[in-house]
Amino acid sequence: GEDVEQSLFLSVREGDSSVINCTYTDSSSTYLYWYKQEPGAGLQLLTYIFSNMDMKQDQRLTVLLNKKDKHLSLRIADTQTGDSAIYFCAESTYYGGSQGNLIFGKGTKLSVKP
Amino acid sequence: DVKVTQSSRYLVKRTGEKVFLECVQDMDHENMFWYRQDPGLGLRLIYFSYDVKMKEKGDIPEGYSVSREKKERFSLILESASTNQTSMYLCASSLGVVGTEAFFGQGTRLTVV
Repeated sequence: GEDVEQSLFLSVREGDSSVINCTYTDSSSTYLYWYKQEPGAGLQLLTYIFSNMDMKQDQRLTVLLNKKDKHLSLRIADTQTGDSAIYFCAESTYYGGSQGNLIFGKGTKLSVKP
Repeated sequence: DVKVTQSSRYLVKRTGEKVFLECVQDMDHENMFWYRQDPGLGLRLIYFSYDVKMKEKGDIPEGYSVSREKKERFSLILESASTNQTSMYLCASSLGVVGTEAFFGQGTRLTVV
């Protein structure tokens, strides 16, 4: 079945760039997403990329997609302590003929040290 | 402002009890989902629904059932709660189109004692 893999932890210093990586197995994935979960809260969509794109930039966030290697990354420039959270990679796929189901990775906990 | 509301933030239930977790969305979304979140395991899909009275099993449906009698409400039912169902439960909704954002509730932390 479909699988999304990401490392569990990342620690960076404030002001550095953070790069969170993700690999996925479903070659038919149409959209790939990054969600952020702050402590005690639900998930919020950060950004997404369509599978025919290589890169998407949104302020401090840069998403890179290597479709050949099924590799997705999220770069956060000038990381701040407020960026400390769990970041989930997700892909959308079809499931039993239905649309819009999301498959999530296990989440990467980003810790930002002052 | 879009909203997915879960009825309880924290819940403590006894082993063997029947437990209802309620989720309501106000965005007229077709799709609704129930996930459980456990440390080191990420989000795992329990059930989802793409229309009223329709449901599909996710990756871990055992011990759970769902009900969607109205478009805005999706209920998760633990028929006989067990301690291994202690977890954070997250509800989400989205339009019935691939690529659209899923909106999440704040989560229900369920403890089964």
